[in-house]
Amino acid sequence: QKEVEQNSGPLSVPEGAIASLNCTYSDRVSQSFFWYRQYSGKSPELIMSIYSNGDKEDGRFTAQLNKASQYVSLLIRDSQPSDSATYLCAVLFYNQGGKLIFGQGTELSVKP
Amino acid sequence: DVKVTQSSRYLVKRTGEKVFLECVQDMDHENMFWYRQDPGLGLRLIYFSYDVKMKEKGDIPEGYSVSREKKERFSLILESASTNQTSMYLCASSAVGSYEQYFGPGTRLTVT
Repeated sequence: QKEVEQNSGPLSVPEGAIASLNCTYSDRVSQSFFWYRQYSGKSPELIMSIYSNGDKEDGRFTAQLNKASQYVSLLIRDSQPSDSATYLCAVLFYNQGGKLIFGQGTELSVKP
Repeated sequence: DVKVTQSSRYLVKRTGEKVFLECVQDMDHENMFWYRQDPGLGLRLIYFSYDVKMKEKGDIPEGYSVSREKKERFSLILESASTNQTSMYLCASSAVGSYEQYFGPGTRLTVT
């Protein structure tokens, strides 16, 4: 099992729809979770951090965390073509000395 | 805003050359990281540092070394560049006690 798993996509959604990006992780004691957005040819940009079970909202973005199921997701409401990018899930692994482990990323395409 | 800068966006070097990649952050962050990103392999940690003159090996340190003489600067050194070191190199930093990493723009290195 990969430490942090994401569907590679591409995930295609129409403009204005909700995009749902999912991530599972293998470390049961992980407490810190991050979502990064990476445009083609650019570096990752931190967009959300979540530490507690439940939902965290920031503008059109909502991060959802379920530690019991070892699952974290990112919802993008009212998707725009400018949201087209690869979204990386990152999980802090305490059992690896506090290392941030990144998923392979999910490519999102928002069609006008 | 956190500002992480890297010395070059694009670099072309020959096999066997010694290569220096520089990273500077202006937010007084204690923690600094070097990653490489390759298609299908995701982000892999090369080296990291939690303080001046300290360094720790990441997952793929072979063929690389680092230097941290000042808090704001973290250098990655390819002792003798090889073609399999052709990659996107990303520097990141984070504050002490925080796991939120902020990335520089990246250096796309080609070794011919």
